[in-house]
Amino acid sequence: DIQMTQSPSSLSASVGDTVTISCRASQSIYRYLNWYQHKPGTVPKLLIYAASSLQGGVPSRFSGSGSGTDFTLTISSLQPEDFATYYCQQSYSNLALTFGGGTKVEIK
Amino acid sequence: EVQLVESGGGLVQPGRSLRLSCAASGFTFDDYGMHWVRQVPGKGLEWVSGISYNSGSIGYADSVKGRFTISRDNAKIFLYLQMNSLRAEDTALYYCAKDLGNGYEILDYWGQGTLVTVSS
Repeated sequence: DIQMTQSPSSLSASVGDTVTISCRASQSIYRYLNWYQHKPGTVPKLLIYAASSLQGGVPSRFSGSGSGTDFTLTISSLQPEDFATYYCQQSYSNLALTFGGGTKVEIK
Repeated sequence: EVQLVESGGGLVQPGRSLRLSCAASGFTFDDYGMHWVRQVPGKGLEWVSGISYNSGSIGYADSVKGRFTISRDNAKIFLYLQMNSLRAEDTALYYCAKDLGNGYEILDYWGQGTLVTVSS
């Protein structure tokens, strides 16, 4: 199975900051990498798929980059509604998905 | 509007069985793969199982292989998860999720989840 490792596991940031979250795969997954946002009491929301494609309705302050084993989610100008837990997920392995451990973005 | 509504969760003793259901609406169900994902309270997301649009391809996480069975009824527009030999570590909120396509393995819509508690 492909293991996904996110870092950091949590971070504190202020409104207006730029935040960067990393995700590393245990083997090359090309660009088969997706990012989700999950707020308490709500369902996970797809933000970015195929490493850098923004899902419809997602604000442009969210962006993704990377390929192979190393990927990054960047949130520019952090907004109050962005405080949440973010997960990466590989979609390289057919019917053997794996998620990263999550990164909790908290208010400083 | 895509809607996914899970049901069937509850309190069950270790070793017993439970079947989860997911009612889908708002999209052409038999065009899309479907998945189950769970979250232990306070922990991260764990993919459990997935099924292709026509049930021709199925996959399971190692943690549930041999105990859980995913299925779908395209006529009734339902996704199922039969869970046997349940363990305490299966306690979680179980989400039904729709694939962006068939075999994309990208989860673009999620249900609200149904809570499964395995305890004596």
